[in-house]
Amino acid sequence: AQSVTQLGSHVSVSEGALVLLRCNYSSSVPPYLFWYVQYPNQGLQLLLKYTTGATLVKGINGFEAEFKKSETSFHLTKPSAHMSDAAEYFCAVSDHNTDKLIFGTGTRLQVFP
Amino acid sequence: DAGVIQSPRHEVTEMGQEVTLRCKPISGHDYLFWYRQTMMRGLELLIYFNNNVPIDDSGMPEDRFSAKMPNASFSTLKIQPSEPRDSAVYFCASSLSGLAVLGGISYEQYFGPGTRLTVT
Repeated sequence: AQSVTQLGSHVSVSEGALVLLRCNYSSSVPPYLFWYVQYPNQGLQLLLKYTTGATLVKGINGFEAEFKKSETSFHLTKPSAHMSDAAEYFCAVSDHNTDKLIFGTGTRLQVFP
Repeated sequence: DAGVIQSPRHEVTEMGQEVTLRCKPISGHDYLFWYRQTMMRGLELLIYFNNNVPIDDSGMPEDRFSAKMPNASFSTLKIQPSEPRDSAVYFCASSLSGLAVLGGISYEQYFGPGTRLTVT
């Protein structure tokens, strides 16, 4: 069965600092991987996704993630944090044969001035 | 497109009352998902439909919960009777052909704004 682990339920960074949110997955076949963001009192919004092809994928708001098969990881990064990036971030995984998304437990990002 | 629409946005009810949450998926999407989000349990998939047919309801917590999708543009999640532990944010999401591969393209889920349910 597919699963995803997000390391760190809370991450705090200063404005302008590097953002790194960790996600590791478990899958017996190459997965499809997603990062979603949830701003306060809103639904989840897709940040970026990996299906096939280039392993470095770029998303909205300057975020990017790299699929590393050897490490079973799909970490989310942004070179310079902005106050507006404060939100909860969810990593999710599916595979070729399911119609469901398996979500991680989420990482709450705080950005300090 | 207006996106996924959910109503009401907020619902406060007393224990024992019936609660009905509504969802209108994005036009043309053939999958619809109901999720529940709480601090304790995070995001949980309750049930999902394909072409108006329930595919997997294994996440529905108990018989007090039921969901229907009478047509492609409308779904309901009903709780009867409601209990305080049902307090949560309930999300509806829709997608096109689930996450099937078609030319290497994956169809992600689009979430509604959620309904915040408080049962007192």
